[in-house]
Amino acid sequence: SAVISQKPSRDICQRGTSLTIQCQVDSQVTMMFWYRQQPGQSLTLIATANQGSEATYESGFVIDKFPISRPNLTFSTLTVSNMSPEDSSIYLCSVATDFVRGYTFGSGTRLTVV
Amino acid sequence: DAKTTQPNSMESNEEEPVHLPCNHSTISGTDYIHWYRQLPSQGPEYVIHGLTSNVNNRMASLAIAEDRKSSTLILHRATLRDAAVYYCILRDEAEKLVFGKGMKLTVNP
Repeated sequence: SAVISQKPSRDICQRGTSLTIQCQVDSQVTMMFWYRQQPGQSLTLIATANQGSEATYESGFVIDKFPISRPNLTFSTLTVSNMSPEDSSIYLCSVATDFVRGYTFGSGTRLTVV
Repeated sequence: DAKTTQPNSMESNEEEPVHLPCNHSTISGTDYIHWYRQLPSQGPEYVIHGLTSNVNNRMASLAIAEDRKSSTLILHRATLRDAAVYYCILRDEAEKLVFGKGMKLTVNP
């Protein structure tokens, strides 16, 4: 299955600032996804990152708050903008490599906003 | 809203089989049933998936009801490493995985 490198693994940020999270995959993939996992909760899908077009956002998530880039088939970034303490979560990227092997998840970025 | 329903938690004993149930009564004909698990401080890990027929792999077995409205993940011999949160997910036509609350499995030594 694909190997995902997600950076940074953790960060502590000041409110009002922005953080960009990177997701690098070791093979070309069509679909990449970004999730948020709030403390003690399940994963919530933020958006699907599409190569060559704008990301598709889920209900409750907007591009101004979570801009996403997908410049090629192996890389994507998620920016958490104008952060508040409520944005403190783990952010994970995921890819669908092929139908047989399911979806692969990165190890996540643990974000704390103070 | 989550399309699947799982117990909040289950307990099992090490080296015994474990059956993890999942209800998905509103499943459509094209929805695949996926199972993932999340160990503490890690991202989710793929376990198994299926459409209609029962499936086996090195990690587990998936038994799917004939009407597809429920399924059961079977761990044939639980180990301490199997303690995790298990998610039963329906993958839709858009190929997204929408997670429900999951079920915490505790394995007792």
